[in-house]
Amino acid sequence: EPEVTQTPSHQVTQMGQEVILRCVPISNHLYFYWYRQILGQKVEFLVSFYNNEISEKSEIFDDQFSVERPDGSNFTLKIRSTKLEDSAMYFCASSEPQGGYEQYFGPGTRLTVT
Amino acid sequence: GQNIDQPTEMTATEGAIVQINCTYQTSGFNGLFWYQQHAGEAPTFLSYNVLDGLEEKGRFSSFLSRSKGYSYLLLKELQMKDSASYLCPILTGGGNKLTFGTGTQLKVEL
Repeated sequence: EPEVTQTPSHQVTQMGQEVILRCVPISNHLYFYWYRQILGQKVEFLVSFYNNEISEKSEIFDDQFSVERPDGSNFTLKIRSTKLEDSAMYFCASSEPQGGYEQYFGPGTRLTVT
Repeated sequence: GQNIDQPTEMTATEGAIVQINCTYQTSGFNGLFWYQQHAGEAPTFLSYNVLDGLEEKGRFSSFLSRSKGYSYLLLKELQMKDSASYLCPILTGGGNKLTFGTGTQLKVEL
């Protein structure tokens, strides 16, 4: 069964550093997403991406985040100047083009900012 | 904006039936999903409702009433492995954004 993969599974970084989280969506999917979940809190939408451009983004997205699809398979999330409160699980997801289709979530990258 | 309310915790007995309720308020609605999330893991899809009524899928059924802003997930023949958090995100906007609530932590006991 196809699945979304993410690397690394765990990333530790120092405050103020930049990190790049990587995702390989399911190959025939055209919509890509990033969500994050701070420990004990709800899953929070960050951004959706379709046809090589951002479709929708959260209010906090432009402060620190950017996304890129550098090639035909990878989808990355860059976090600039990390803060302690960015420590969270970051989930990548992908779906088929129409809105009613399941968003398949990857296993997540646990980011720890020290 | 969007708001989703679910009970924080529920406990049920193995083999029993449990109903997890979800109410929402939103401007713009393109459907409601149910996901299961075990601790430390990614959410996994259970069901999707966009029209009123009941969708059945094995041991799981989900119901939606758009006029009432209400959904429920029905789990039958509960198993210990069903102990998890159950999330009912709503789908809004042209960007397929899922808005999540805090979820319902279900504990299945012997």
